Amino acid sequence: EVQLVESGGGLVQPGGSLRLSCAASGFTFSSYWMHWVRQAPGKGLVWVSRINSDGISTSHADSVKGRFTISRDNAKNTLYLQMNSLRAEDTAVYYCARGVGATPSVWGQGTMVTVSS
Amino acid sequence: QSALTQPRSVSGSPGQSVTISCTGTSSDVGGYNYVSWYQQHPGKAPKLMIYDVSKRPSGVPDRFSGSKSGNTASLTISGLQAEDEADYYCCSYAGSYSLVFGGGTKLTVL
Repeated sequence: EVQLVESGGGLVQPGGSLRLSCAASGFTFSSYWMHWVRQAPGKGLVWVSRINSDGISTSHADSVKGRFTISRDNAKNTLYLQMNSLRAEDTAVYYCARGVGATPSVWGQGTMVTVSS
Repeated sequence: QSALTQPRSVSGSPGQSVTISCTGTSSDVGGYNYVSWYQQHPGKAPKLMIYDVSKRPSGVPDRFSGSKSGNTASLTISGLQAEDEADYYCCSYAGSYSLVFGGGTKLTVL
């Protein structure tokens, strides 16, 4: 069974940093593109970042460019999102998702990030 | 990267059909055949219902169908059931390996 389990969320002060992890199982992790998508409380889905299967190619939404970095460790079947210079507007549930082509297909249950003083 | 435009809400009675629209531009919806649709129940993770405009993943009922004309994509749900009540989001490839989502549509089954 395909499983994606996010972790690393929590409460952080504005300007702080956090690293999210997404542990993958039940499929050949190194064969798939991966995505991070976030959802602010009561709001819609927003694409954040994407990484290709070998980790060489990445892309980020303009709203996080220069502050967030997506990466992966295929030996550990784990996806990461390093988030720096966090702002109140980054408060959201962060989901990791496996890609089918460019499309997020299977999603994890999400981890909550709250940026507040 | 402006969000795609969806109606805030739609409704229908059990057994009826409803269509949710998703309007973008020639830089996203109109430029690529990579439109997907997600269903999200309260407190749950999104579930992929349609990808590549009209393809259904394994396990998704054929009551769900997708189409596209110009810069507007559509999700049609026929034979509406109570469990279809949820939020629905469209998503499109927007070039340069980026994606853009719609604002979401709340479907109410009357």
